[in-house]
Amino acid sequence: DTEVTQTPKHLVMGMTNKKSLKCEQHMGHRAMYWYKQKAKKPPELMFVYSYEKLSINESVPSRFSPECPNSSLLNLHLHALQPEDSALYLCASSQVRQAPYEQYFGPGTRLTVT
Amino acid sequence: AQSVTQLGSHVSVSEGALVLLRCNYSSSVPPYLFWYVQYPNQGLQLLLKYTSAATLVKGINGFEAEFKKSETSFHLTKPSAHMSDAAEYFCAVSDMAGSQGNLIFGKGTKLSVKP
Repeated sequence: DTEVTQTPKHLVMGMTNKKSLKCEQHMGHRAMYWYKQKAKKPPELMFVYSYEKLSINESVPSRFSPECPNSSLLNLHLHALQPEDSALYLCASSQVRQAPYEQYFGPGTRLTVT
Repeated sequence: AQSVTQLGSHVSVSEGALVLLRCNYSSSVPPYLFWYVQYPNQGLQLLLKYTSAATLVKGINGFEAEFKKSETSFHLTKPSAHMSDAAEYFCAVSDMAGSQGNLIFGKGTKLSVKP
């Protein structure tokens, strides 16, 4: 099973709202990723968790707050977002035991900030 | 530093025709290379990966790619296009600087298939 699930599928939020995106995998992967993807562009890496610890933060604004409660779950907490944050947010996971560490992606959450 | 370049942001083929999507890489070490496909409003799906075990890599949905070190290329091909192949295709190289090998994506190529 190479499935990564993400909820919700769609999210509309105002600039003063607080919401969370959720990601789950049961492949035993110990690396999990958040990406942001704008229309007609490749995914942009936001955060990487390795063994439930934040290992990479690609200078993402603090209005995005990641959390990795356990090895299967990854959350992205959103607060005071801007309209330009509207995008498809993708979660991915990979094993870390042996290269090439291919990443498996979820279906994404389509976020609209009004 | 690793990088990939996808030649052609948009490729259009007729149904049944050969599909050729081009990817060139830059890497100072033997690379790990991937092709992903993204259908509209969906996530990325791994098509195939190159790990140095074989230069010709077969993937899902009839796609394959050939690693050519002399040309620093990893082009994706399919002998006969199907309407369902219409999607965005991303070539990616693994950045081996980190322990988990973060992906560096090309800009993508949109494949259109005409009936």
